[in-house]
Amino acid sequence: SYVLTQPASVSVAPGKTATITCGGYDLGSKDVHWYQQRPGQAPVLVVSDDDYRPSGIPERISGTNSGNTATLTISRAEAGDEADYYCQVWDDVTNHQVFGGGTRLTVL
Amino acid sequence: QELLVESGGGVVQPGKSVRVTCEASGFMFVNYGMHWVRQAPGKGLEWVAAIAYDAAKIYYAESVKGRATISRDNSKNTVSLQLSNLRSDDSGVYYCSRSVITTDSFELWGQGTLVTVSS
Repeated sequence: SYVLTQPASVSVAPGKTATITCGGYDLGSKDVHWYQQRPGQAPVLVVSDDDYRPSGIPERISGTNSGNTATLTISRAEAGDEADYYCQVWDDVTNHQVFGGGTRLTVL
Repeated sequence: QELLVESGGGVVQPGKSVRVTCEASGFMFVNYGMHWVRQAPGKGLEWVAAIAYDAAKIYYAESVKGRATISRDNSKNTVSLQLSNLRSDDSGVYYCSRSVITTDSFELWGQGTLVTVSS
């Protein structure tokens, strides 16, 4: 089955830039989606199709995808960005949706 | 306002069944694929099942295949998941979510319903 690998945790200072990676075989050939989940809340889609921001998502959040790695970038990090972030793709071999293990972003 | 509201969670004994239901409002339910995604306590997200807008395509995760049935009623704007022969690792919050097509991103989520498998 297809596997997406994320770092367990990332830390960033307020006002700096955080990068969260998502690795998978030939990931660049797939559409990667990213979700933010704040404590006690449901996930929210923050980037779809590698680099598209849904309505209401700030421009500080962006995505890229190439080769075997997709990246979520959060610029000018704020305390409100502290959350778990998950990448996700559709695996057309197994016909399954696949999530990465999630990355806890800490703003300190 | 586009909303998904789950119900049907609770404490269920191992080996028994549970049915969770999601009611949609504020959008054309019949136009969208629907999913169930679950999250065990303190763990990550796990996709469980998907159903196309017309129920013509249905997909299940390997962890629930043979024990799960996803269905929808487009006249009532609801999607349901029945999970049988429950195990302790089926415990968690079950989220309902929407996608344009079943292979796409999950663009709208409900708040979830908690299922606890315990004797």
